[in-house]
Amino acid sequence: AQTVTQSQPEMSVQEAETVTLSCTYDTSESDYYLFWYKQPPSRQMILVIRQEAYKQQNATENRFSVNFQKAAKSFSLKISDSQLGDAAMYFCAYAYSGAGSYQLTFGKGTKLSVIP
Amino acid sequence: SQTIHQWPATLVQPVGSPLSLECTVEGTSNPNLYWYRQAAGRGLQLLFYSVGIGQISSEVPQNLSASRPQDRQFILSSKKLLLSDSGFYLCAWSRLPPIAGPSYEQYFGPGTRLTVT
Repeated sequence: AQTVTQSQPEMSVQEAETVTLSCTYDTSESDYYLFWYKQPPSRQMILVIRQEAYKQQNATENRFSVNFQKAAKSFSLKISDSQLGDAAMYFCAYAYSGAGSYQLTFGKGTKLSVIP
Repeated sequence: SQTIHQWPATLVQPVGSPLSLECTVEGTSNPNLYWYRQAAGRGLQLLFYSVGIGQISSEVPQNLSASRPQDRQFILSSKKLLLSDSGFYLCAWSRLPPIAGPSYEQYFGPGTRLTVT
């Protein structure tokens, strides 16, 4: 079974600084997808960024970028120029298209605080 | 564009009472649908998923059930609530295989906060 591990329960960053959230996963598959979701205090899950495993190039979305290391099964999220609105829970997630269901496996999350 | 709705937003129910949470998706057809529960301070636990009308798969044995009476409607139910059913319930949808879209991400609704007293 696939597992996703986020080893940092909480992190903090100064406003305008850069922070990196860690995620590792375990899978025997070669074709899969990885995601970072943000859950602000409103608790609605918002997709931040996705990475296809077959792509070597790291995904970027504005101030958000990932460092995808397939061999190491590592998928970290870097937030540049942190803003107060970035304060949230961040969840790493894995998806493999087995059984036609495209289920997501989530990590337990990292709570990010942004210090003004 | 696609939107996903959940209601109610908040619910307080006594132990032993029934439950019905509804989720609907607009702007897409034949979506995969999912119900998750998030306990306080924890990650998401997949409860049920559905790949079509009347097709429900359960991930964990529990006091809850799910139904999909229409293509874009997903309902979470219980006949008798337990205290342990309290939590935040999220509905999500995703596209079908790659011919319908390039990725497998799920899109979440605003959630329902359930408190069982």
